[in-house]
Amino acid sequence: DSGVTQTPKHLITATGQRVTLRCSPRSGDLSVYWYQQSLDQGLQFLIQYYNGEERAKGNILERFSAQQFPDLHSELNLSSLELGDSALYFCASSAQVTGLAANEQFFGPGTRLTVL
Amino acid sequence: AQSVTQLDSHVSVSEGTPVLLRCNYSSSYSPSLFWYVQHPNKGLQLLLKYTSAATLVKGINGFEAEFKKSETSFHLTKPSAHMSDAAEYFCVVSEVPGGYNKLIFGAGTRLAVHP
Repeated sequence: DSGVTQTPKHLITATGQRVTLRCSPRSGDLSVYWYQQSLDQGLQFLIQYYNGEERAKGNILERFSAQQFPDLHSELNLSSLELGDSALYFCASSAQVTGLAANEQFFGPGTRLTVL
Repeated sequence: AQSVTQLDSHVSVSEGTPVLLRCNYSSSYSPSLFWYVQHPNKGLQLLLKYTSAATLVKGINGFEAEFKKSETSFHLTKPSAHMSDAAEYFCVVSEVPGGYNKLIFGAGTRLAVHP
């Protein structure tokens, strides 16, 4: 158990809908990362937050957004869902970033999103 | 830009025989490299990391990897496979030297272990 929790474990929804995925980092970790794992794209970094602020962006679509709250939990919002958004979404957390280099990322079990 | 290429999408071995999972990287500077493992229906777990210290890196569960700059490789090995090693393995590079930021994942190698 990595200490990172994600809810829900599974989510089934329809095209055009909006969903919110939630992540609670390990106790004390200030950085949260979101990843998407799909069959055609593999594992891709989406976005990183550090202590409430966006720190780095990867291949995140404009229909997707994220935020990190004062209690450090994070939410990934996916809107106008398409069939191709079906994937496993992972959250990871790491301890305080020192300079440019972040510490080891610990991954949650993921949320499996199915868009019908 | 950094990238990693995992040369085999599937590897099948017998229990008790050696494991070799191949990874080549591309980087404009000395990279930070990692191997992660993903067991079915589980999250990713760090096996080992290379961050410019010793070139032979030992990880958990008997795995090790050797950083070879001349060959731009970071192959993962284990002397004797166990049934519990069956999983997907990802070779990963960080865009930030010495750090774990903005991880770039390879396509993965699925390891099957037969009795």
